[in-house]
Amino acid sequence: AQSVTQLDSHVSVSEGTPVLLRCNYSSSYSPSLFWYVQHPNKGLQLLLKYTSAATLVKGINGFEAEFKKSETSFHLTKPSAHMSDAAEYFCVVSANFGNEKLTFGTGTRLTIIP
Amino acid sequence: EAGVAQSPRYKIIEKRQSVAFWCNPISGHATLYWYQQILGQGPKLLIQFQNNGVVDDSQLPKDRFSAERLKGVDSTLKIQPAKLEDSAVYLCASSAQTETQYFGPGTRLLVL
Repeated sequence: AQSVTQLDSHVSVSEGTPVLLRCNYSSSYSPSLFWYVQHPNKGLQLLLKYTSAATLVKGINGFEAEFKKSETSFHLTKPSAHMSDAAEYFCVVSANFGNEKLTFGTGTRLTIIP
Repeated sequence: EAGVAQSPRYKIIEKRQSVAFWCNPISGHATLYWYQQILGQGPKLLIQFQNNGVVDDSQLPKDRFSAERLKGVDSTLKIQPAKLEDSAVYLCASSAQTETQYFGPGTRLLVL
């Protein structure tokens, strides 16, 4: 069984300040982990993914995430928030043994304050 | 490369009516997925196809939902009859050999 917990349902930051979106996972196998972003009325877009290579993963639009097995965490960060980052972010886990089923977290809504 | 296409984008129906959604995956992607995303929640997998065979439909309410993927390309998802709790966004995704799934824009369904 696998699951993810997004620790904050809503995060607000000022433009130009750092972003931290927190995610903890649970998996019986070595997981693959993803962050997806969903802008209003748009489809889900892959930000980045971890698949047992480097633990620090760089994604699009300046986002990155660090896989910490000891803490079962996969937090998403960005050094400086931009207005266009305002969206819903989903942490996702997939069992890494050929099953492609994705299990989504409940999402974190990121608001950017001008 | 064209993305995953879905239609219609919006649909409003009354309860007990039927509705169908269409998905065209990225060319060459063998795996196709349908997800249901209820407002305020993450997407939940309804059904997964590998080519035209079903891999996982454990979360599909089979008394009212059906899906098919004829010829291993396009897919349709049908609800008959619809209930109020079926109001959601229905997302289609496709993937090739890797785990990366690419999502379409979704169909927003409102059941009155």
